[in-house]
Amino acid sequence: GIQVEQSPPDLILQEGANSTLRCNFSDSVNNLQWFHQNPWGQLINLFYIPSGTKQNGRLSATTVATERYSLLYISSSQTTDSGVYFCAVERTGGGNKLTFGTGTQLKVEL
Amino acid sequence: EAQVTQNPRYLITVTGKKLTVTCSQNMNHEYMSWYRQDPGLGLRQIYYSMNVEVTDKGDVPEGYKVSRKEKRNFPLILESPSPNQTSLYFCASSGWGPTNEKLFFGSGTQLSVL
Repeated sequence: GIQVEQSPPDLILQEGANSTLRCNFSDSVNNLQWFHQNPWGQLINLFYIPSGTKQNGRLSATTVATERYSLLYISSSQTTDSGVYFCAVERTGGGNKLTFGTGTQLKVEL
Repeated sequence: EAQVTQNPRYLITVTGKKLTVTCSQNMNHEYMSWYRQDPGLGLRQIYYSMNVEVTDKGDVPEGYKVSRKEKRNFPLILESPSPNQTSLYFCASSGWGPTNEKLFFGSGTQLSVL
């Protein structure tokens, strides 16, 4: 099956700092989504981004499908950004089946 | 409010005692799915459904059953739970499937099988 690797696995930031999270995948994909799991366990969809760049407030994401990676940018981080960030991909021809990476654990400190 | 609702939020049971985790969505989504989340293994798909009466296995379907008799509901059934099914379970839905649209998750069900 498709392999999805996220880096870094752990990240600690001071409030106000910027960061870039990376998602690499091993095969061509139809779609890619980014999720945030907050400390209470809730999974929130951040982006549906099979290609190109999207922005939502302090967050933006870029997917370069031809090079098999996606980046999630967090600017001016806040403590509420803490949690785990997952990317999930659907392999081309994968039939609506998302494969999740193992996540980046982010902690934002005051 | 558009949402995916799971119940219960927490469940402790004993080996072999049948249980059902309910999932309902109010967005008229065609696609629904169940995932389990385990430390170090991430989220893995159990079953998914593209429409009423249409269900398919995901990556880890053993020991689970699902049904899709109505569009809005997609219950997860453990007929004889075992300790290795202790996990955090999530239901999710999407309009026509995550190929083309965002996937939305419920709040999760923490299951402990003793």
